[in-house]
This record gives sequence, structure tokens and C-alpha cells, in this order.
Amino acid sequence: DIQMTHSPSSLSASVGDRVTITCRASQTIYTYLNWYQQKPGKAPKLLIHSASSLQSGVPSRFSGSGSGTDFTLTISSLQPEDFATYYCQQSHNIPWTFGQGTKVDIK
Amino acid sequence: QLQLQESGPGLVKPSETLSLTCTVSGGSVSNTNYYWAWIRQPPGKGLEWIGSIYYSGSTYDNPSLKSRVTMSVDTSKNHFSLKLNSVTAADTAVYFCARRLGYRMDVWGKGTTVIVSS
Repeated sequence: DIQMTHSPSSLSASVGDRVTITCRASQTIYTYLNWYQQKPGKAPKLLIHSASSLQSGVPSRFSGSGSGTDFTLTISSLQPEDFATYYCQQSHNIPWTFGQGTKVDIK
Repeated sequence: QLQLQESGPGLVKPSETLSLTCTVSGGSVSNTNYYWAWIRQPPGKGLEWIGSIYYSGSTYDNPSLKSRVTMSVDTSKNHFSLKLNSVTAADTAVYFCARRLGYRMDVWGKGTTVIVSS
């Protein structure tokens, strides 16, 4: 299975901060990489697909980049509603696998 | 707007079979553009992809579940289903269904909690 590793596992930030989350794959996944946001008690929400494509309806402060094994999710100016856990997920190989998540909380 | 709703027993005894259904509203499970997926999340843990199914019955599943999984589609009822047999406490989780569009899961149900306990 392809292992997905987040860095950091958690971070504290303030409203207005620029936040960057990194995800590394254990082998190349080209751009078969998605990012999801999950709030407590809720289902995950797709933010970014194909490494850098913004899902319809998602605010433009979210962006994704990377290819191969190293990927980044950036929130340009953190908003109160962005405090959540973020997961990367690869869809290059079966089984699809998720990273362990990065929890973003309030500083 | 497409909506997905999981349903099924919230409590299953060890060694028995977990059975869940995901009802599709605002769209058709027979739409040739989509697969339909199951994902689970144990309490306090991350997400695990269980598998996906096409309306024709073609499936992909996670080998880690050691063939305990059966997925099916009922086009007449516009729903798809998951069965997981020989359950243990490790199968306790929130189970989500989702629509798979290409290589992403873009619409999710709210999830249903299943507890495995005697």
C-alpha cells in the first residue's frame, strides 16, 4: 500500500495566518492527490483534487501544489471556519489511502 | 443536488455481519459517470477506504479487509450496500458512503456509527 505522511500532525495558528500543510507519499503518485477538510462529527469535504484543482464552491484561499511524492496544501489567510483536520488521499493505486491528518487549531 | 444517506444497525455483535445501505437522492446510482464508495473512520482515528462499486456491479476493495467485504448496487431502489462479515471490535467506526467522480470522492453522506459489541 502507498503510505501517506502528513507534516506536521498538528499546528496552532491565528486568524489571518498563512498555513501550509505537507503530505508525502511513499512512492510516486504523479498528481493523483486529493485534500479533504473534516470538522468534528462531520463528513470530510473535498477541497482540492488532482493535487492543484480547486473543487467547485471551495474558497480561493485554499490552494494545492506538488507532484510525484511531495504535496502541499496552503490556506492563504486562515478564517475561523478553517479550524479543522485536513487529510490528503492518494488515488493512484488500489487501495486508496489517506494520510493520518493535520489538525489545525486556534493559537 | 445529490445527497447520500447511510442507514443500518448501529450495533452489531462480534462475528456477525455488518450491513449498511446508502440511499442516493437527487441523482441516479446508474449514472455511468460515477462509482460509489465506502470509507470508515474508527473513533478518534483517520480515514480508511473500504472500496467502491459501479452500477454494473464491478468493484474495487481494500485487500486489508481480507475479502470480508461485499458491495452491491440496487438500481431499482437507487441505493448501494455494504456487507462486512466476521466483525470484531476493530470494525467499530463511523461508516461513510461517497460518490466517486474519476479519482476523487466529491460528495459524502453524513456517516453512520456502527459499534461492534456483545
